[in-house]
Amino acid sequence: AQSVTQLDSHVSVSEGTPVLLRCNYSSSYSPSLFWYVQHPNKGLQLLLKYTSAATLVKGINGFEAEFKKSETSFHLTKPSAHMSDAAEYFCVVSHDTGGGNKLTFGTGTQLKVEL
Amino acid sequence: DAGVIQSPRHEVTEMGQEVTLRCKPISGHNSLFWYRQTMMRGLELLIYFNNNVPIDDSGMPEDRFSAKMPNASFSTLKIQPSEPRDSAVYFCATKTGGMNTEAFFGQGTRLTVV
Repeated sequence: AQSVTQLDSHVSVSEGTPVLLRCNYSSSYSPSLFWYVQHPNKGLQLLLKYTSAATLVKGINGFEAEFKKSETSFHLTKPSAHMSDAAEYFCVVSHDTGGGNKLTFGTGTQLKVEL
Repeated sequence: DAGVIQSPRHEVTEMGQEVTLRCKPISGHNSLFWYRQTMMRGLELLIYFNNNVPIDDSGMPEDRFSAKMPNASFSTLKIQPSEPRDSAVYFCATKTGGMNTEAFFGQGTRLTVV
């Protein structure tokens, strides 16, 4: 079965410092992985995706993630946090079910950015 | 394209009433997902369709919930009768292609059952 585990439910950083949001996945074959962001009272927006091309994936707003098969991880990073990055972040795995693609979401990580 | 369109954006209803949430997918997208989001349970997949056919409805909480996709451009999620514990934000998401393509989310419907 495919699943994702987000290791931190809450992360707090100071503006200008690096961000690290952790995600581990479980998949019986090469997965497709995504990070989505949800700002308060908004829908979910795609940040970036990994689809077995380059292992280092760059997304919007300066975020990037590295796929590490040996560690079954897909951690999200950003060198310098901005106040506007405060939001909830979801790690997602996509897998075929025979009749379509199912998206399995992690439980989310709430990012707080402080002055 | 206007993206995934959900209606209504907000719904307040009394316990026992029927509620219908609507979703218009992005044109050409052949997979559609209904999610429910609450503080307590996070984001839960309720049901998803592929080419208008329900593939997995194991996340539908109980018989009070039903979903349909009569054609490629419209889906509904119905709750009858509604209960206060159904209060949540309901999201519709659609995608095309295989595993490598991302899903696009609507803005959600905030349902309050009083």
